[in-house]
Amino acid sequence: QVTLKESGPGMLQPSQTLSLTCTFSGTSLSTSNMGLSWLRQPSGKGLEWLASIWNNDNYYNPSLRSRLTISKETSKNQVLLKFTSMEPADTATYYCAWDYPASFAYWGQGTLVTVSS
Amino acid sequence: DIQMTQSPSVLSASVGDRVTLNCKASQNINKYLNWYQQKLGEAPKLLIYNTNNLQTGIPSRFSGSGSGTDYTLTISSLQPEDVATYFCFQHNSWPTFGAGTKLELK
Repeated sequence: QVTLKESGPGMLQPSQTLSLTCTFSGTSLSTSNMGLSWLRQPSGKGLEWLASIWNNDNYYNPSLRSRLTISKETSKNQVLLKFTSMEPADTATYYCAWDYPASFAYWGQGTLVTVSS
Repeated sequence: DIQMTQSPSVLSASVGDRVTLNCKASQNINKYLNWYQQKLGEAPKLLIYNTNNLQTGIPSRFSGSGSGTDYTLTISSLQPEDVATYFCFQHNSWPTFGAGTKLELK
């Protein structure tokens, strides 16, 4: 069974860089055709896809591409997301999700990130 | 970007009802359409992928259909535990979600 858990700072100030970690078990990114994605959801609102990592390829939401970096540490079963120039409008619950056998097939519990001065 | 429009935004139904939720894409998405269920305070859960494939562990009362730009999620007999918000999602191109349909008990 695939399980995922997000970890992050909880709160940060405007203009700072957000660093998130997704730690997963029950699967491996070293297997071909496996991928993991990051998404977010402001409180009471809809879902937004941020970035995905598949094999050695990275994919980004075009509207946020300049601010995002996704990477993996395969030996640790972790995927990292860096999000620069954070603003209050970026306040949301951030999720990681496993992309097999379908997009966002398994989700972590989410981590709330609040951007405030 | 492909826009996904869900209707209705809120749906009230009774236990045992057959319920249909709709999702319309702004262009052909070639059946690359998933449905997710999100209960209050929880992470979303994948129900259906690629229009009509039931995810492992999901009850058979959930089904999906559609093609081109128009897709539906059907619950054959509504149960109390089905109260949730349902999101459609396309991955024919850069991934986008619909705004959701909130399903309530009447």
